[in-house]
Amino acid sequence: GENVEQHPSTLSVQEGDSAVIKCTYSDSASNYFPWYKQELGKRPQLIIDIRSNVGEKKDQRIAVTLNKTAKHFSLHITETQPEDSAVYFCAASSGNKLVFGAGTILRVKS
Amino acid sequence: DAGVIQSPRHEVTEMGQEVTLRCKPISGHNSLFWYRQTMMRGLELLIYFNNNVPIDDSGMPEDRFSAKMPNASFSTLKIQPSEPRDSAVYFCASSLLPRGAYEQYFGPGTRLTVT
Repeated sequence: GENVEQHPSTLSVQEGDSAVIKCTYSDSASNYFPWYKQELGKRPQLIIDIRSNVGEKKDQRIAVTLNKTAKHFSLHITETQPEDSAVYFCAASSGNKLVFGAGTILRVKS
Repeated sequence: DAGVIQSPRHEVTEMGQEVTLRCKPISGHNSLFWYRQTMMRGLELLIYFNNNVPIDDSGMPEDRFSAKMPNASFSTLKIQPSEPRDSAVYFCASSLLPRGAYEQYFGPGTRLTVT
């Protein structure tokens, strides 16, 4: 089955700096890769996703890149703000299911 | 758009008691997923339904857990008897499959504490 590894487990950045979170997956059949943001005590919320026929996708300050050959994908957040502080989860599709990474705690210091 | 609705939001119960968690998916979605989230194990898929039919229950921990989806707008996750190690946040998510779209939208979760 699919296995998703996510790094780093924690990330601290200064406000205004960029943050990058990386994930690797094992199943070459995976074709959908979403990213979720979860604030403390809240539900995971979809922030951006990418499909395997696209290499990069951008939405304002966030972007996701996908390298199918290497089986890894990354989340990039530019000009970080305190409200970006949260836990971020990557996921990869496995059939109709999603397999989630372990999460990255992002702290943006002001 | 109401989003995914879960109830109760918090549940505190004693070991051995039966617990029933409820979920109403987004109207028009045809797939429903139950997840459990803990610090130790992260976000685990317990079971998912497509068109009200259970498709994959390989994540259900043991026979104490059961889930049903009697119609397109309602699902339950039952734990009987409950144990302290069941304490976690349980999320329900819904999606529209199989249009090639796998976006899953999560409910607010039920925080379960078993003492």
